[in-house]
Amino acid sequence: AQSVTQLDSQVPVFEEAPVELRCNYSSSVSVYLFWYVQYPNQGLQLLLKYLSGSTLVKGINGFEAEFNKSQTSFHLRKPSVHISDTAEYFCAVSTVQGAQKLVFGQGTRLTINP
Amino acid sequence: DGGITQSPKYLFRKEGQNVTLSCEQNLNHDAMYWYRQDPGQGLRLIYYSQIVNDFQKGDIAEGYSVSREKKESFPLTVTSAQKNPTAFYLCASSMFLGTRYEQYFGPGTRLTVT
Repeated sequence: AQSVTQLDSQVPVFEEAPVELRCNYSSSVSVYLFWYVQYPNQGLQLLLKYLSGSTLVKGINGFEAEFNKSQTSFHLRKPSVHISDTAEYFCAVSTVQGAQKLVFGQGTRLTINP
Repeated sequence: DGGITQSPKYLFRKEGQNVTLSCEQNLNHDAMYWYRQDPGQGLRLIYYSQIVNDFQKGDIAEGYSVSREKKESFPLTVTSAQKNPTAFYLCASSMFLGTRYEQYFGPGTRLTVT
């Protein structure tokens, strides 16, 4: 079975500061990795995904993430955040083979202070 | 526009009543999913369906039922056997076509049972 741990439940940062949201996963088989963003009372929107190839993945809204297989991590980063980035962020994994089920982390609430 | 529709956005029911949440997609995706979201717990998989007339239990299927009679529709019934039904319910669909693999989410239905 797969599991995902998001190490911080809340991350407060100042506007225009850099941010890193941490995600570690556990799996005995190869996985795909995803970051989703959720704004209040809305569904989830895909930020970026790692399926194969380059370990540095760029997504929407200036976010990027790096897949580190040896450390089983997929941390999300942005060099300069904006007020509009205030939201909840979810890391998720699915196995490469079999059903396309996603296993989610508990989420990290990113709060941007002016 | 292609997408996933969930209705209604807010739903209120009395304890002991069954309630059905609607999910429709026009993305021509084969697979559909239902997740439950509770504060601080991320998303948990209730049921999923990879093809019409077939579905499988997820991690928390007890007290829920689904049907998949049409490719575009995957309704979820929350039965009176579900002990704690108040939650935010998200429907998703996916296709797997190389690098286009990802799950798309609907806007969600917030169910309150009193």
